[in-house]
Amino acid sequence: DVKVTQSSRYLVKRTGEKVFLECVQDMDHENMFWYRQDPGLGLRLIYFSYDVKMKEKGDIPEGYSVSREKKERFSLILESASTNQTSMYLCASSPSTGFRAETQYFGPGTRLLVL
Amino acid sequence: AQKITQTQPGMFVQEKEAVTLDCTYDTSDPSYGLFWYKQPSSGEMIFLIYQGSYDQQNATEGRYSLNFQKARKSANLVISASQLGDSAMYFCAMREPLQGGSEKLVFGKGTKLTVNP
Repeated sequence: DVKVTQSSRYLVKRTGEKVFLECVQDMDHENMFWYRQDPGLGLRLIYFSYDVKMKEKGDIPEGYSVSREKKERFSLILESASTNQTSMYLCASSPSTGFRAETQYFGPGTRLLVL
Repeated sequence: AQKITQTQPGMFVQEKEAVTLDCTYDTSDPSYGLFWYKQPSSGEMIFLIYQGSYDQQNATEGRYSLNFQKARKSANLVISASQLGDSAMYFCAMREPLQGGSEKLVFGKGTKLTVNP
């Protein structure tokens, strides 16, 4: 059973703080993703990684960075949190291509509020 | 680039009845994959069903089935015998290839389904 966990379900931070969101998957998946979800906008890809120490920008990378030092862990970093980064953050993982469905498996999400 | 459109912001259905959630897509790739996810109020995205563009038959998973009409570029989700626990947001998504053999999912804006007792 695939399991993706995120370090916090709810987080409250102040403007200007450095924020770390952690994601861990236990299925040895190569690919990991960070999305943010906002009402009326659906899910938007921030960053993804298809291998350890590899990272690629998604659709909305500004204001974010990521780190993948180990295969199972993918961290999202808000260098200086701003109020417009208040959102729901979802982490996902998937195996590399070659599997039929190539489904992405999601964590429970982190609701971040920046004051 | 791929695009997913879900035109129903909200849908209501009576318990035990069937409901169809609409999804249309746009892509120029001959090979593609379509997904449906359920997101309860708890927030987790739960994978429901997948349809590949070359699959000969419509996908089914228990009470979920996909009405795939390739010529119309639609991939509607049909939920039979609705249950109160089906109340959630439902997202249609399409696979978009990325470098390195990875992929991202392009999501629609979702449909909020409410099942009434």
